[in-house]
Amino acid sequence: DAKTTQPPSMDCAEGRAANLPCNHSTISGNEYVYWYRQIHSQGPQYIIHGLKNNETNEMASLIITEDRKSSTLILPHATLRDTAVYYCIVRVVKDDKIIFGKGTRLHILP
Amino acid sequence: DVKVTQSSRYLVKRTGEKVFLECVQDMDHENMFWYRQDPGLGLRLIYFSYDVKMKEKGDIPEGYSVSREKKERFSLILESASTNQTSMYLCASSARGRHTEAFFGQGTRLTVV
Repeated sequence: DAKTTQPPSMDCAEGRAANLPCNHSTISGNEYVYWYRQIHSQGPQYIIHGLKNNETNEMASLIITEDRKSSTLILPHATLRDTAVYYCIVRVVKDDKIIFGKGTRLHILP
Repeated sequence: DVKVTQSSRYLVKRTGEKVFLECVQDMDHENMFWYRQDPGLGLRLIYFSYDVKMKEKGDIPEGYSVSREKKERFSLILESASTNQTSMYLCASSARGRHTEAFFGQGTRLTVV
């Protein structure tokens, strides 16, 4: 079973920051938080992952709360191409299985 | 630069047929996965393989089997297709035990009539 809870859908205006929340209240100390997204008619694509420190790459930033029970994926300047379903996943690195939840459908509004 | 290739984008099969969905990856990954995706249910893991000839059941293995004879190829088999197996099937691969991303194919939309 997925160990994360995400809102089913969100809207964001084009050019604004999109902040996607994820709750993972039962996360254990050796579990990482991963984010993937799936654009319509394509397979999911990796975005970012982290353990407890905030992370940033060319696509997004990941903010993990100090107690690690929740996190936020930030797309700093959302474009229409960011319209997709975003999946938050927790997993132990040595456990190679990747279990997806239902994700958040993000709509970027022009 | 396609890295995970699924043999068909669209497939229509009849009830009771034996169906093979093929997936090939060119990244020398140890792990390969088969998922199905249905509206409102998200991606669900059917089977997972962490090495040649090795497999593990995912969350919904019933009605499916898999074959991994070579490292680069992972096949999903529907022994006797049924209409409730109409779905989008996605294959993925990843390197074992490291912080590497999983790469997905484009998916096969299977319709069983």
